[in-house]
Amino acid sequence: DAGVIQSPRHEVTEMGQEVTLRCKPISGHNSLFWYRQTMMRGLELLIYFNNNVPIDDSGMPEDRFSAKMPNASFSTLKIQPSEPRDSAVYFCASSWTGDETQYFGPGTRLLVL
Amino acid sequence: SQQGEEDPQALSIQEGENATMNCSYKTSINNLQWYRQNSGRGLVHLILIRSNEREKHSGRLRVTLDTSKKSSSLLITASRAADTASYFCATVFYGNNRLAFGKGNQVVVIP
Repeated sequence: DAGVIQSPRHEVTEMGQEVTLRCKPISGHNSLFWYRQTMMRGLELLIYFNNNVPIDDSGMPEDRFSAKMPNASFSTLKIQPSEPRDSAVYFCASSWTGDETQYFGPGTRLLVL
Repeated sequence: SQQGEEDPQALSIQEGENATMNCSYKTSINNLQWYRQNSGRGLVHLILIRSNEREKHSGRLRVTLDTSKKSSSLLITASRAADTASYFCATVFYGNNRLAFGKGNQVVVIP
């Protein structure tokens, strides 16, 4: 299995632009998690899906952030408009019911200028 | 949300030595997990210990859990340069499968 796939791996954009991060979970996994990692705040859970349904989005910072999971093999995290404080590494992770561990992707390093 | 808190934050040791990291949490948990993150990479699951377990081993890793003190420790024995990484504890509470991560321990193993 290829593991969790994230794209792009690096993104540099200007303030105000829309950013879309993509994630392909491990085949067969039915839970998907989006995290943000910064030096100041560490790893924060933004949102997680179970069977493609958003279960908990309490970690989404504000309305500029949105996430979708149209099917079991694809999810997006969108930031519109982006701000410099959104600069961070964004991780996607997946797991399946009965396995309490999570499998992380390599992350997307986002820099908003 | 509740988070684990690791102690110490940074550790530098010689190859072959043991490394110990601690983690504390605030409320009752279902299980506690340790993850490793190499520089610029995603997190990799190392070991999971359930609330009714006190100690668990996996290769050179030993994890303990003291639910009365709400703390856990991760011991890496006979460290290697390849163990250089950040180590995170994460707690899972009853009723959900969310992970609440601590801030992480930076471990540097000097060859």
